[in-house]
Amino acid sequence: DAGITQSPRHKVTETGTPVTLRCHQTENHRYMYWYRQDPGHGLRLIHYSYGVKDTDKGEVSDGYSVSRSKTEDFLLTLESATSSQTSVYFCAITQGAREEQYFGPGTRLTVT
Amino acid sequence: AQSVSQHNHHVILSEAASLELGCNYSYGGTVNLFWYVQYPGQHLQLLLKYFSGDPLVKGIKGFEAEFIKSKFSFNLRKPSVQWSDTAEYFCAATGGGNKLTFGTGTQLKVEL
Repeated sequence: DAGITQSPRHKVTETGTPVTLRCHQTENHRYMYWYRQDPGHGLRLIHYSYGVKDTDKGEVSDGYSVSRSKTEDFLLTLESATSSQTSVYFCAITQGAREEQYFGPGTRLTVT
Repeated sequence: AQSVSQHNHHVILSEAASLELGCNYSYGGTVNLFWYVQYPGQHLQLLLKYFSGDPLVKGIKGFEAEFIKSKFSFNLRKPSVQWSDTAEYFCAATGGGNKLTFGTGTQLKVEL
């Protein structure tokens, strides 16, 4: 257990509404990541953070924004949810750039 | 673009059969390689990793993988699978940085 929690664990929302997912870690890791998992695509990186207020885009960042105001929290926001954003979202952490990533339990998001 | 390919999307084996799951990557230069496992309804867990050194890497639960640089491959093996190995397996790679690229996954079903 890498001390990662995600909230909420499940959410159903309507198209066009804003949604924020939270990733919380307790071990002071520098790097944090958001992925989405979809059948046939594996996991794809949405955004990542390499420190407080330092973030960068991944390969599927359109429609998503992130914020990291504290080391322990990394927020993922869907400004206006669409059905194509129905997915399972995983947060991950790692202490160093070359180290393995550890994953949180995931958030299942359904956009109707 | 950097990519990771897993050619076996679904594999069905009987208990005690040997397992080999293929993984190929397209990276130039330094590459770090990983295998993750996702049991039904759970988050990803690290099985094993390769950074450098001995190309035969041993991981948890009796799994191993071999890095063959000339073939750009990092195949996962287990001599004798168990019913509890039923899961989805993901190969992932990073080119020395911190952005992981995942394969699309291989769904393994082990029958009694």
